[in-house]
Amino acid sequence: QVQLQESGPGLVKPSETLSLTCTVSGASITDTRYHWGWVRQPPGKGLEWIGNVHYSGATYSKPSLKSRVSVSLDTSKNQFSLRLSSVTATDTAAYFCMRHDGSGMDVWGKGTTVSVSS
Amino acid sequence: QSALTQPASVSESGGQSITISCTGTSSDVGGYNYVSWYQQHPGKVPKLMIYDVSRRPSGVSNRFSGSKSGNTASLTISGLQADDEADYYCASYSINGPSFVFGTGTMVTVL
Repeated sequence: QVQLQESGPGLVKPSETLSLTCTVSGASITDTRYHWGWVRQPPGKGLEWIGNVHYSGATYSKPSLKSRVSVSLDTSKNQFSLRLSSVTATDTAAYFCMRHDGSGMDVWGKGTTVSVSS
Repeated sequence: QSALTQPASVSESGGQSITISCTGTSSDVGGYNYVSWYQQHPGKVPKLMIYDVSRRPSGVSNRFSGSKSGNTASLTISGLQADDEADYYCASYSINGPSFVFGTGTMVTVL
């Protein structure tokens, strides 16, 4: 059974960098059938795709976030990470990591809440 | 890159059917058969219900079906049950980036 678990600070100061890690169990992030990515959901609002990474090294992110987003893999730990720089209050959200097989996001972490506040 | 357009809410009586629309452009929904649908109960994690426009993952009820015509995809839920009451989101691959884009979300209420 594939499981994903997000971890990272629940509070980030404005202008700083948000860093989250997703630990994968029951599957390998080197499996070339899958991409690994992040989705967020501001309080009371809809889902927003942030970005994906593939073992090949390919990364892609939402165009409006591209200048601030970095998604990367750590194969030694079977983890992948999200870095979002220069955060503001509008980046306050629940952040989900997920597995994407190109057709759909089939496995999700439970999500972690990140607040941006001084 | 704008979110795909969905109706904000849909209500129907138990046992009936509903259809949720998801309208995009030729750069996303209309251009590719990579439309997926997600169910999210309040405070819960999204669940994949449909992928590749009309395919169901193992374990998803056949009461859920998907289709597409032009730039609009649709999710139909037949035989509505109380547990179907949730938010539903469509998503599509987009040539812009490339990237993926979600819909605005639809709240389904079972009367």
